[in-house]
Amino acid sequence: EPEVTQTPSHQVTQMGQEVILRCVPISNHLYFYWYRQILGQKVEFLVSFYNNEISEKSEIFDDQFSVERPDGSNFTLKIRSTKLEDSAMYFCASSEEGGPSNEQFFGPGTRLTVL
Amino acid sequence: AQTVTQSQPEMSVQEAETVTLSCTYDTSESNYYLFWYKQPPSRQMILVIRQEAYKQQNATENRFSVNFQKAAKSFSLKISDSQLGDTAMYFCAFMTPLAGNNRKLIWGLGTSLAVNP
Repeated sequence: EPEVTQTPSHQVTQMGQEVILRCVPISNHLYFYWYRQILGQKVEFLVSFYNNEISEKSEIFDDQFSVERPDGSNFTLKIRSTKLEDSAMYFCASSEEGGPSNEQFFGPGTRLTVL
Repeated sequence: AQTVTQSQPEMSVQEAETVTLSCTYDTSESNYYLFWYKQPPSRQMILVIRQEAYKQQNATENRFSVNFQKAAKSFSLKISDSQLGDTAMYFCAFMTPLAGNNRKLIWGLGTSLAVNP
């Protein structure tokens, strides 16, 4: 069964460093998402992406964040200069179409630790 | 703004018994979608069940069913015949089919469910 994959599973970085979190969505999916979950807190929407552009972004998704689909398979989240508060679990998701009746399939997440 | 509230941080149930997880939400929209996701220790987020607000019939998926009360803005999940593999964090989530391609999920804080042998 096709699945969303994410690498790395755990990333440790120093404050101020750039990180790139990678996701491979399900191959025929067209809509892509990033969510994050700070330990003990709610899962929060970061950004949605369709047709090579951002559809919506949250207040969290400031200038330090960017997303890219550099080729036909990868979908990346870049944090330019990490802060301690960026430590969280980051989930990538994809869906075949944008309709809410279409399930968003989630990857296993990347745990980002900023020291 | 839409919000989702799960008032039970932790619950436990004996294997083979039934448990109900609560979820309430707030929205001014009339058309929306509600979801329950399961997050086992592996951390993968798995869709358990979904409900369209315009459907009066409660959704059912095998041992999982919901009690959707639109007027009360309540969306509880019932797990029947609980199994050890049901031990997980359960998240209630909400989506409004906004115009364009906006399809963000809004999440509750989650309920940690432990199924005891």
